[in-house]
Amino acid sequence: EVQLVESGGGLVQPGGSLRLSCAASGFTFSSYWMHWVRQAPGKGLVWVSRINSDGSSTNYADSVKGRFTISRDNAKNTLYMQMNSLRAEDTAVYYCARSSYCANGVCSPSAFDIWGQGTMVTVSS
Amino acid sequence: EIVLTQSPGTLSLSPGERATLSCRASQSVSSSYLAWYQQKPGQAPRLLIYGASSRATGIPDRFSGSGAGTDFSLTISRLEPEDFAVYYCQQYGSSPWTFGQGTKVEIK
Repeated sequence: EVQLVESGGGLVQPGGSLRLSCAASGFTFSSYWMHWVRQAPGKGLVWVSRINSDGSSTNYADSVKGRFTISRDNAKNTLYMQMNSLRAEDTAVYYCARSSYCANGVCSPSAFDIWGQGTMVTVSS
Repeated sequence: EIVLTQSPGTLSLSPGERATLSCRASQSVSSSYLAWYQQKPGQAPRLLIYGASSRATGIPDRFSGSGAGTDFSLTISRLEPEDFAVYYCQQYGSSPWTFGQGTKVEIK
C-alpha cells in the first residue's frame, strides 16, 4: 500500500524548534518530488516547501524562508522538515505530499496524488 | 505568484443536484497544470482531477473538470451524500505551488 505517515508534531513555545518526519512506503521514494503543505485551524491549504528527488533542489514559501529547512533521506525513505524560530502563525496541521515522478533525470510537473494524515504543530506559550 | 480565486465560497445544494465550482487564476496556468482536491473534516485532501480535466485513480465519473488558461471549473453531475465537503483548486506548473481558498459544498 502506498502510504505517507507524518510524525513529530506537538506543542512548542514561540521561538522554539521542531522537526517533522514523513515516512514513505509502498513506492520508490527516491523517484519523487516531495512537499510539505500546512493548514491552520479552520483555514485553507497553504504550500510550504518542496524538495526534488535527490535532495539537491528546494523551494520555500516566503513565510517560512530562512526558518524552515526541508530535507530527505532516500536510504530511509523519509522526508523531514526542520522548523526553527517558530511563531504563533505557524500553528497548523502539516501534511507531506508526493508529486512529480522522475525518470532518467526528467521530471514532469504533477499534482499531489498521495498525502499523509497530517501532524499538528501548535506554537504557544 | 499565481493567485487562485474560487467561487462561490459556499454552495448550498441538495443530494442529486448538480454542482459547479469555479477557479480563476491571476495569470495563465501553464499546460493546464491545474488540480482539484476534496477535503472532508479531519481528513487529508484527496486528489480528484489533474491536468484540468483528467480524473485521478478511483474517482467516480460524476466528477469532471474543464477549462484552460485562467478559467477552470469542477462539476459534480449529481451530488451524493459523501460529496459534501470542501474543494480546493491548485496550480502545480510553477513555484510557488498555490491553492485556492476553497469552496464548501454543504447540504441545503
